[in-house]
Amino acid sequence: AQSVTQLGSHVSVSEGALVLLRCNYSSSVPPYLFWYVQYPNQGLQLLLKYTTGATLVKGINGFEAEFKKSETSFHLTKPSAHMSDAAEYFCAVTMLTGANSKLTFGKGITLSVRP
Amino acid sequence: EAGVTQFPSHSVIEKGQTVTLRCDPISGHDNLYWYRRVMGKEIKFLLHFVKESKQDESGMPNNRFLAERTGGTYSTLKVQPAELEDSGVYFCASSQVIWGFSTEAFFGQGTRLTVV
Repeated sequence: AQSVTQLGSHVSVSEGALVLLRCNYSSSVPPYLFWYVQYPNQGLQLLLKYTTGATLVKGINGFEAEFKKSETSFHLTKPSAHMSDAAEYFCAVTMLTGANSKLTFGKGITLSVRP
Repeated sequence: EAGVTQFPSHSVIEKGQTVTLRCDPISGHDNLYWYRRVMGKEIKFLLHFVKESKQDESGMPNNRFLAERTGGTYSTLKVQPAELEDSGVYFCASSQVIWGFSTEAFFGQGTRLTVV
């Protein structure tokens, strides 16, 4: 079975500050990891993904995440927060193979950006 | 290219009534998934179609929920009769299958269902 832990439900940062959203996973097989973002009144949008290869992955809007197998983590970062980054962020894990391609999500973290 | 489309965007129904949600996946995507987020909780998997076949329906909460994907194109999720605890946002997602592996899933905007 797979699981995702996103500690905390809300993070608040100042505009221009570092954004760090934590994600830890549990998986019995090598996982595929994703970060999705949901802006107000919109659907889920893929931010970035890790499948194989380079462990530091870059996504849209300046976000990046690093897969650390030893720490079972996939934390999301952005060097400088922008007001438009205010949204809810979801970490998810899957195996992507046939019957096992469903996503298991964390509870989500709401990011607020202060002027 | 059109994304995943869900209808309706909002639905308010009374307990005991029937509601049908519709999802149109991205054209050519064989995988279609339904997920649900109950308020305050995480997004939970409901079921997975590959073309018109149910690959995995382990997340369906009970037999009041019926999902179909006739012809392997759009899908419907019917709740009959609806209960208060069915309220939440229902997401649909689709993805391709390439060489036996699924690509990343693209999500629709969701249907917010409120049962009163």
